Amino acid sequence: AQKITQTQPGMFVQEKEAVTLDCTYDTSDPSYGLFWYKQPSSGEMIFLIYQGSYDQQNATEGRYSLNFQKARKSANLVISASQLGDSAMYFCAMREPYSGNTPLVFGKGTRLSVIA
Amino acid sequence: SAVISQKPSRDICQRGTSLTIQCQVDSQVTMMFWYRQQPGQSLTLIATANQGSEATYESGFVIDKFPISRPNLTFSTLTVSNMSPEDSSIYLCSVEFFNEKLFFGSGTQLSVL
Repeated sequence: AQKITQTQPGMFVQEKEAVTLDCTYDTSDPSYGLFWYKQPSSGEMIFLIYQGSYDQQNATEGRYSLNFQKARKSANLVISASQLGDSAMYFCAMREPYSGNTPLVFGKGTRLSVIA
Repeated sequence: SAVISQKPSRDICQRGTSLTIQCQVDSQVTMMFWYRQQPGQSLTLIATANQGSEATYESGFVIDKFPISRPNLTFSTLTVSNMSPEDSSIYLCSVEFFNEKLFFGSGTQLSVL
C-alpha cells in the first residue's frame, strides 16, 4: 500500500489566488513527521514546511501552511497569494518515526502551474 | 542556515563508465541519505550512509552498482558504476538538520548516452 498519496497530478491556479495541494498518508506509527518540498525545473528539492504528528497547531511558513487533519490522515499544503515563481512540482513526504534517522517516503507529486 | 553542496550539478556520460557524486555538508551530521529520481518520477531511496559503517541499501539497489563512501561526518560520495541509459536520473543527497527537518543538496542531473 502506498504510504503517501497525492491524487492531483497537475493543478492550475491564477496568480494571487490561494491553492490547496492534497496529501493523504498511511501509517500505524503514532510518531511521524510530514514534509512538503518544492522542486523547480532545476531539479533541486526545496524544503517548504514540516508538521510533526504530536504538534497541536498547524504549521505555517510564510505563504505556506499545512492543513493537518490527523483523524483523516491528511496533510494538505495551502499556498496563499500564488506567484509565477510557485510553478513547480510539489512533493509530500513522510518520515516514521520522525526521529531516529529514518529516511523520507515520497508521494508521486503534483505539478502546479501558476497562470498570470 | 546549514549548507549542502553537491557536485557535479550535471553530467553527460558514456555507457559503461562510472561517475562519482560528492555531497559536502558544512556541519556534522549522523546520517546521509542518497535518493534517485528517474525522469517524471518521484524520489526513491538508494541507501542510508552512516559514518564509520557500511551503507544500508534499499531493495533493488546493490553496493556493486552504487558504492557509497562516508569517510567523516560532513562528507559522502555515491558512485554510479558501469552506467547504462537507464541510470539517467537526478541523484540527490539528503541530511537532517534542526529538529528532524531533512534538507537536500542541489542534485546531480545525470544523462547516460
